[in-house]
Amino acid sequence: DSGVTQTPKHLITATGQRVTLRCSPRSGDLSVYWYQQSLDQGLQFLIQYYNGEERAKGNILERFSAQQFPDLHSELNLSSLELGDSALYFCASSPGNGRGVLDTQYFGPGTRLTVL
Amino acid sequence: AQSVTQPDIHITVSEGASLELRCNYSYGATPYLFWYVQSPGQGLQLLLKYFSGDTLVQGIKGFEAEFKRSQSSFNLRKPSVHWSDAAEYFCAVGAGSGGGADGLTFGKGTHLIIQP
Repeated sequence: DSGVTQTPKHLITATGQRVTLRCSPRSGDLSVYWYQQSLDQGLQFLIQYYNGEERAKGNILERFSAQQFPDLHSELNLSSLELGDSALYFCASSPGNGRGVLDTQYFGPGTRLTVL
Repeated sequence: AQSVTQPDIHITVSEGASLELRCNYSYGATPYLFWYVQSPGQGLQLLLKYFSGDTLVQGIKGFEAEFKRSQSSFNLRKPSVHWSDAAEYFCAVGAGSGGGADGLTFGKGTHLIIQP
């Protein structure tokens, strides 16, 4: 158990809908990262937040957005869902801003999103 | 931009035999390298990481990896595998010290099958 929690574990929805995935980082961690794992694209970095502010952006679609709240939990919002958005979405957390030598990322169990 | 290649999609090893999983990276500066393992239905667990110093890195569960700059490789090894090692293994490179700058870039993964 990494200490990172994600809810829900599974999510089934229809095309065109909007969903919110939630992540609670390990106690004391300030950074949260979101990754998407799909069969065709593999594991891809989406976005990072550090202490409430966006820190780094990866291959995140414009239909997707994220935020980190004052209690440091984070939410990933996916809208206008398409079949291709079906994937496993991971959250990871690290103690610092990601640039420290010891700032390792610890992953949650993931949320499996199925878009029908 | 950095990239990671794991040339073997599947590897089958007999229980008790030695294991080597290959990883090649492309990165312009000193890389920060990681190996993660993903068991079915689970999140990613960090096995080991390399930031600098000794090129032979020890990790959890009896795994080790060797960083070879001249070959741009970071191969994972284990002298004797156990049936519980069956999983998906991912090599990753980080742009920032902890991988936080632009997140981690993952290889496609190697699926390890253990034969009794």
